[in-house]
Amino acid sequence: ETGVTQSPTHLIKTRGQQVTLRCSSQSGHNTVSWYQQALGQGPQFIFQYYREEENGRGNFPPRFSGLQFPNYSSELNVNALELDDSALYLCASSLRLAETYEQYFGPGTRLTVT
Amino acid sequence: DAKTTQPPSMDCAEGRAANLPCNHSTISGNEYVYWYRQIHSQGPQYIIHGLKNNETNEMASLIITEDRKSSTLILPHATLRDTAVYYCIVRVGWWSSGGSNYKLTFGKGTLLTVNP
Repeated sequence: ETGVTQSPTHLIKTRGQQVTLRCSSQSGHNTVSWYQQALGQGPQFIFQYYREEENGRGNFPPRFSGLQFPNYSSELNVNALELDDSALYLCASSLRLAETYEQYFGPGTRLTVT
Repeated sequence: DAKTTQPPSMDCAEGRAANLPCNHSTISGNEYVYWYRQIHSQGPQYIIHGLKNNETNEMASLIITEDRKSSTLILPHATLRDTAVYYCIVRVGWWSSGGSNYKLTFGKGTLLTVNP
């Protein structure tokens, strides 16, 4: 069984640029959620994708967008980067079931905006 | 979203049981309690979850009070590798055209330090 993988591991961007982060789901999982974790804080929910559509979103502006592909892998895109976007970005995959819903997290991408 | 309250930090001696408390007084009847932990600079790791009954797996035990307003995560024999931030989470659900959906709302968690 393959776990959740994310790329790249680290990334440095300049304010105003755009960035794309990638996530491969755990084998058999069909739902992907993205979280942002600022230093010293818990992860904050950005959005979730199922069947290639966004079906839930946290308190993040539209410049945060995503995609899910037929193989359930996913991308997080952030436009017009701001200094406050510096954070660890986590991807979590899960399998939609009625009751149990464990989310399995990848190691994250550390984004630094200068 | 249902809010959880955890102590910011706790210490535990290696080999002893670590008991991590969590208050979730606003939890609804059908909301689950989840526990995750995060070792420095890694992604959060699922530990256990429960609704009403106490639960046990190979990692830990979860004790939920009868009124469901609080819970305790128990690591029976803590090791140095259990040093991490432990998050108590009430799973939040919503409905969409695709059916039921869930997200995890993290707080700041408890930093558990296991000492030799």
